[in-house]
Amino acid sequence: AQSVTQLGSHVSVSEGALVLLRCNYSSSVPPYLFWYVQYPNQGLQLLLKYTSAATLVKGINGFEAEFKKSETSFHLTKPSAHMSDAAEYFCAVTRSSNTGKLIFGQGTTLQVKP
Amino acid sequence: NAGVTQTPKFQVLKTGQSMTLQCAQDMNHEYMSWYRQDPGMGLRLIHYSVGAGITDQGEVPNGYNVSRSTTEDFPLRLLSAAPSQTSVYFCASSSQGATYEQYFGPGTRLTVT
Repeated sequence: AQSVTQLGSHVSVSEGALVLLRCNYSSSVPPYLFWYVQYPNQGLQLLLKYTSAATLVKGINGFEAEFKKSETSFHLTKPSAHMSDAAEYFCAVTRSSNTGKLIFGQGTTLQVKP
Repeated sequence: NAGVTQTPKFQVLKTGQSMTLQCAQDMNHEYMSWYRQDPGMGLRLIHYSVGAGITDQGEVPNGYNVSRSTTEDFPLRLLSAAPSQTSVYFCASSSQGATYEQYFGPGTRLTVT
């Protein structure tokens, strides 16, 4: 079975500081991994995805994530936080054969302080 | 393209009432899914479909029915609403192709009293 754990339900950073949101996965097959962002009262928007190509994945809005098989991790980073990055972030995993079945982590709310 | 659309945006039901949440997509995607979002639990898969006429259960299917008669539509039926079904419901669609991205609708916020 697949599962995703996001460490830290709330993360607070100052504007301009490094953003690091942690995600660890469990999968018995090669995983496909995703980070989604949800702004208040909106649906989910894809930030980036890992689909077994390059292990360092660049996404929208300056975010990137690195797939580390040995650590079963897919942490999301951004060098410099903006106020507009305040949102809830979800890590998700699926098997390559069925993109209709995403398994989500619990979510991490990012607060950006001025 | 409108993408994935959901109606209604908000709904209040009394315990025991039934209703259907509508979901439609205009991207000709094969896969469609329903998730519910509850605080601290992320999104959990209710039901999904890999094509017209084919549906399967996800993590939390009890109390919900689905059918998929067309590629475009994937309605979610609550048979007898319970307060535990108070949640935000998201519909998503994706292609069998290589992009692996699920596109999400704007959500339906349901309250059961």
